[in-house]
Amino acid sequence: RKEVEQDPGPFNVPEGATVAFNCTYSNSASQSFFWYRQDCRKEPKLLMSVYSSGNEDGRFTAQLNRASQYISLLIRDSKLSDSATYLCVVTSNTGNQFYFGTGTSLTVIP
Amino acid sequence: DTEVTQTPKHLVMGMTNKKSLKCEQHMGHRAMYWYKQKAKKPPELMFVYSYEKLSINESVPSRFSPECPNSSLLNLHLHALQPEDSALYLCASSQDPPGARGEQFFGPGTRLTVL
Repeated sequence: RKEVEQDPGPFNVPEGATVAFNCTYSNSASQSFFWYRQDCRKEPKLLMSVYSSGNEDGRFTAQLNRASQYISLLIRDSKLSDSATYLCVVTSNTGNQFYFGTGTSLTVIP
Repeated sequence: DTEVTQTPKHLVMGMTNKKSLKCEQHMGHRAMYWYKQKAKKPPELMFVYSYEKLSINESVPSRFSPECPNSSLLNLHLHALQPEDSALYLCASSQDPPGARGEQFFGPGTRLTVL
């Protein structure tokens, strides 16, 4: 079983739409959780860390549900510039290994 | 300085060549990573260095040889590669251990083509 499962999409949404991505993980003792964004032919860049209390940064909201072992990312009022691949990342129980989901491709259409 | 640098940006090599990829960070991170990424796939872990010692080798073929000369530098020596090794090679660093809120910082990658 994979450490992290993520729907690869693609998600094609109109500008202004709200879109949500989910990711499940297998190790209940995982320590840390992140969403990264990767543009075509670029390196992954941290979008948000994900905390049990949930966190919000502008149009982006991340949630962690430890009981059900999933994390989510909500993007409100989608912009064309949000088009990218979104990777969920979960660390091991010791925290020193990072496990990547397959990535979810988002295209925001004018 | 929250930057990880990698050189070269692009590399084309033949199957008999020997080349090296270089990575540098000055964030005081003591964990450094090499990943391989193929198109439309997530990064795939190759090696982890912790305090300049190799801590994880994900069964990578010996034609890839990592080296960590000091806490800021990470090299990947390449020899007798195959065309299927063509990919984007990403270096990353993090605190060690990353802790509850530690994340990885990635370099821009080296795009490798093996002819």
